[in-house]
Amino acid sequence: GQQVMQIPQYQHVQEGEDFTTYCNSSTTLSNIQWYKQRPGGHPVFLIQLVKSGEVKKQKRLTFQFGEAKKNSSLHITATQTTDVGTYFCAGQKGQGAQKLVFGQGTRLTINP
Amino acid sequence: GAVVSQHPSRVICKSGTSVKIECRSLDFQATTMFWYRQFPKQSLMLMATSNEGSKATYEQGVEKDKFLINHASLTLSTLTVTSAHPEDSSFYICSASSGASQYFGPGTRLTVT
Repeated sequence: GQQVMQIPQYQHVQEGEDFTTYCNSSTTLSNIQWYKQRPGGHPVFLIQLVKSGEVKKQKRLTFQFGEAKKNSSLHITATQTTDVGTYFCAGQKGQGAQKLVFGQGTRLTINP
Repeated sequence: GAVVSQHPSRVICKSGTSVKIECRSLDFQATTMFWYRQFPKQSLMLMATSNEGSKATYEQGVEKDKFLINHASLTLSTLTVTSAHPEDSSFYICSASSGASQYFGPGTRLTVT
């Protein structure tokens, strides 16, 4: 079945350092979504990437979707303590009512 | 934006009892809702896909007789954990589909003692 692998599992950085998490799907995706989950909270939608090679930015966050639509990355520039949490990618093969397959998540902790 | 609620947010029950969790789409109609389970420090695992007016589709390894799903209206899906055991303790999260997007509820933390 469809699998989405995400690395690293954990990342600890000093505040101000950059952070990147990577996702790789075993199959071609129609889109990939990114979520952030704070400790004790629920996943919060960050963004959806649909087009091959797409790059989107949200302030210090940069999201990329690979040309083959099988991999993606999330890069945070100059991390802040508010960035702490677990970042999940989730791949979808169809649109809308198609199920999401989540990566294992990358847990980001930050030393202030 | 689209809002999805879950009730209760937390529940503690005794082993052997049943617990019902509600998932509601508050400002949109959702023909499809999804139920996920998340164990501590793990990812979300899809349990089942719930379609309004029809039987749910369960993922491999999920017991349909233990996790009863009902999607009786376009704004409400329920998950009932029957004869709960301590190993069922987990964070249960629903999502509702609206067009091209899915919206997640805040989750229900179930503790079975």
